[in-house]
Amino acid sequence: DSGVTQTPKHLITATGQRVTLRCSPRSGDLSVYWYQQSLDQGLQFLIQYYNGEERAKGNILERFSAQQFPDLHSELNLSSLELGDSALYFCASSVGGVGANVLTFGAGSRLTVL
Amino acid sequence: GEDVEQSLFLSVREGDSSVINCTYTDSSSTYLYWYKQEPGAGLQLLTYIFSNMDMKQDQRLTVLLNKKDKHLSLRIADTQTGDSAIYFCETRGNYGQNFVFGPGTRLSVLP
Repeated sequence: DSGVTQTPKHLITATGQRVTLRCSPRSGDLSVYWYQQSLDQGLQFLIQYYNGEERAKGNILERFSAQQFPDLHSELNLSSLELGDSALYFCASSVGGVGANVLTFGAGSRLTVL
Repeated sequence: GEDVEQSLFLSVREGDSSVINCTYTDSSSTYLYWYKQEPGAGLQLLTYIFSNMDMKQDQRLTVLLNKKDKHLSLRIADTQTGDSAIYFCETRGNYGQNFVFGPGTRLSVLP
């Protein structure tokens, strides 16, 4: 157990739907990162939050949004889902917000869009 | 955009050394990481190196960085069957921008 908790572990939904993925960071970590891993795109960084504020943005689609709450948990919202959004979504956390942060990853949420 | 490349497959015999290579294009990369991903699991950080370093050793792992050629390598000494996994390199800018991963190298360790 890495200390980073992601729910749900598996999710199956239909095109056009909206889902929310949740991440609880490791105790004491202030940063949360979201990544998408798919067969065709590989591993891609989506977005980072530090202590509730957006810190860095990667290849996140406009249909996707995220936020970090005061208790530091984070949610990734995926809307108007397409078949190509089927992927493993990882959350990671770290203590700091910049620099050589050591990231701890969760086990991932596997999203299947039918 | 910036790019990171890796060989997709590597096979070695148990007890031999493995060398996994990574090349990148972003000259502003300040932090370079190696991760291990086992089947059905998340990523596990193995080690990282700053761009002002040439080498870092951590038990069986040795990271070499050639900043001029933008080439990073991970050497695993005395490779074991438990080292079979996918290995990703990642580059990151100084202020956390440009998080870019390579496609991953699948290491198979043969008995």
